[in-house]
Amino acid sequence: EAQVTQNPRYLITVTGKKLTVTCSQNMNHEYMSWYRQDPGLGLRQIYYSMNVEVTDKGDVPEGYKVSRKEKRNFPLILESPSPNQTSLYFCASSPNLGGKEKLFFGSGTQLSVL
Amino acid sequence: ELKVEQNPLFLSMQEGKNYTIYCNYSTTSDRLYWYRQDPGKSLESLFVLLSNGAVKQEGRLMASLDTKARLSTLHITAAVHDLSATYFCAVDPTGANSKLTFGKGITLSVRP
Repeated sequence: EAQVTQNPRYLITVTGKKLTVTCSQNMNHEYMSWYRQDPGLGLRQIYYSMNVEVTDKGDVPEGYKVSRKEKRNFPLILESPSPNQTSLYFCASSPNLGGKEKLFFGSGTQLSVL
Repeated sequence: ELKVEQNPLFLSMQEGKNYTIYCNYSTTSDRLYWYRQDPGKSLESLFVLLSNGAVKQEGRLMASLDTKARLSTLHITAAVHDLSATYFCAVDPTGANSKLTFGKGITLSVRP
């Protein structure tokens, strides 16, 4: 089944403890992206990747890192999480055919930083 | 800075009636996307609109794009309970599906 898989679904951590949220897609998509969703703010893009080894900042990249060493994986790294990074995170991918394709979203990761 | 505005933010709809919701954006773009999110769930794609005048229909939903007015509309025909969800529009001014900016979403609630 074609899908974008995020793990974990729920995560509670403490300030400063490094964490990684994994994202994997099995559709051979070139484009992958991370978003955070906060009440009243909609979705905001954190980072995106147009292909392997190519990443770029979205609108709210501060406090996050990403890597794209393989086409299928795009992990989101929080080196030193803070409470203001408590949010619902979504990973998404698309074939990136000139922006004519829809995004496929993962199920989301609800992160709480205490 | 690109701004994407959706209104209203919340709409209570009566079953069987027609409604229209709007998405305005502040910079030139000839492509716009609509997504649906059910409570506690992920987002799923509804429509991809790729040019001025584009119109797409799926069931009771019809989306259109006017790039000159920088406006997209989502028309709901004969609302049913299953359409209760939050609807997001998103704009990509780069034309490459890279820096996607989402609106804050419109929550639709259909009552009997």
